Amino acid sequence: KNQVEQSPQSLIILEGKNCTLQCNYTVSPFSNLRWYKQDTGRGPVSLTIMTFSENTKSNGRYTATLDADTKQSSLHITASQLSDSASYICVPGRTDSWGKLQFGAGTQVVVTP
Amino acid sequence: ETGVTQSPTHLIKTRGQQVTLRCSSQSGHNTVSWYQQALGQGPQFIFQYYREEENGRGNFPPRFSGLQFPNYSSELNVNALELDDSALYLCASSGPPTYEQYFGPGTRLTVT
Repeated sequence: KNQVEQSPQSLIILEGKNCTLQCNYTVSPFSNLRWYKQDTGRGPVSLTIMTFSENTKSNGRYTATLDADTKQSSLHITASQLSDSASYICVPGRTDSWGKLQFGAGTQVVVTP
Repeated sequence: ETGVTQSPTHLIKTRGQQVTLRCSSQSGHNTVSWYQQALGQGPQFIFQYYREEENGRGNFPPRFSGLQFPNYSSELNVNALELDDSALYLCASSGPPTYEQYFGPGTRLTVT
């Protein structure tokens, strides 16, 4: 059973526009939630990490939110740039699986001029 | 750059062959995790090595095996390659105090 669902699967946005990516998860016991950015054919790079007690965290133009009660997270990209074109992957962490990251399939974002 | 390196970058193997992939961890890190990423999917956890011992394994058959050396670099070995083993193989190193995982650039394996 897939414990991480991301939406949309893909989206195309114009340079300079904002977008929001969604992540629903069912992992338990929940510990933290990470968002990664992965360029095609490269390794993922961490954008944000939030514990269950945090509601929001920013990293430059990236802002992640977390609602641990509804098991939902979002990643908002502000003023998109061409370099934002990548896959964005949500990774909820379990307290009983230290080091074993469970990745979602990701949302493929394409930023066009 | 994360300081994690992987080799080779790409390789092509034939079904039934064996392959060894290598990962050099970031300085100060004692843990290496390996992931398999099929096209269009998120990475799937294969196993993790902590101080030269296997410290957790995902749902992969025994023909996927690993090793960690005293300098904390690591190898992933896959025997009896199958077509479905074609994927990007990622390693991630981590260490004290946070054990946050830093990924290497990956090795693209194609099995024909």
